[in-house]
Amino acid sequence: GENVEQHPSTLSVQEGDSAVIKCTYSDSASNYFPWYKQELGKRPQLIIDIRSNVGEKKDQRIAVTLNKTAKHFSLHITETQPEDSAVYFCAPGGKLIFGQGTELSVKP
Amino acid sequence: EAQVTQNPRYLITVTGKKLTVTCSQNMNHEYMSWYRQDPGLGLRQIYYSMNVEVTDKGDVPEGYKVSRKEKRNFPLILESPSPNQTSLYFCASSYRGLSYEQYFGPGTRLTVT
Repeated sequence: GENVEQHPSTLSVQEGDSAVIKCTYSDSASNYFPWYKQELGKRPQLIIDIRSNVGEKKDQRIAVTLNKTAKHFSLHITETQPEDSAVYFCAPGGKLIFGQGTELSVKP
Repeated sequence: EAQVTQNPRYLITVTGKKLTVTCSQNMNHEYMSWYRQDPGLGLRQIYYSMNVEVTDKGDVPEGYKVSRKEKRNFPLILESPSPNQTSLYFCASSYRGLSYEQYFGPGTRLTVT
């Protein structure tokens, strides 16, 4: 079945720094690549997604890049703020399997 | 307001006592699913439904049942709960399947003693 790995599992940055989280998948048929954010005690929510015919998508401080050949996509957060602290999940489509998540901590 | 609702939000029960967790969405979504979330294991899909009367097993279906008699509702049934089903449960819906944004309910924290 689909194998999804996220790296790193934890990430600590200073406020204002950038953060990058990488998701590697195995199913080459995947064509939808979302990232979800889950704040402590809350439900996961979509923050950005990309489809396989696009290499990069940006929404203010958040961007997602896709490398279909290498089968990975990455979440980029610039100018991090304390409210970015959360667990981030990738969920490559085709078969919706969530990675184990990356806990991001942004220190003021 | 577009939303997914779940009830109850918290439940403590005993081994073997049948329970149902309800899930409802008001977005006319075709696809609905249930996940459980456990520390260190991320989100794992229990069951999903592509449309009314169409359900299928996810990755961890043992000990659970579902039904989809109406488009808006997708209840999760534990006929004989056991302590290893203690978990945080999320219902989710999307427009049409896996290649669309998943909208999650607020979660149900279940404890089985």
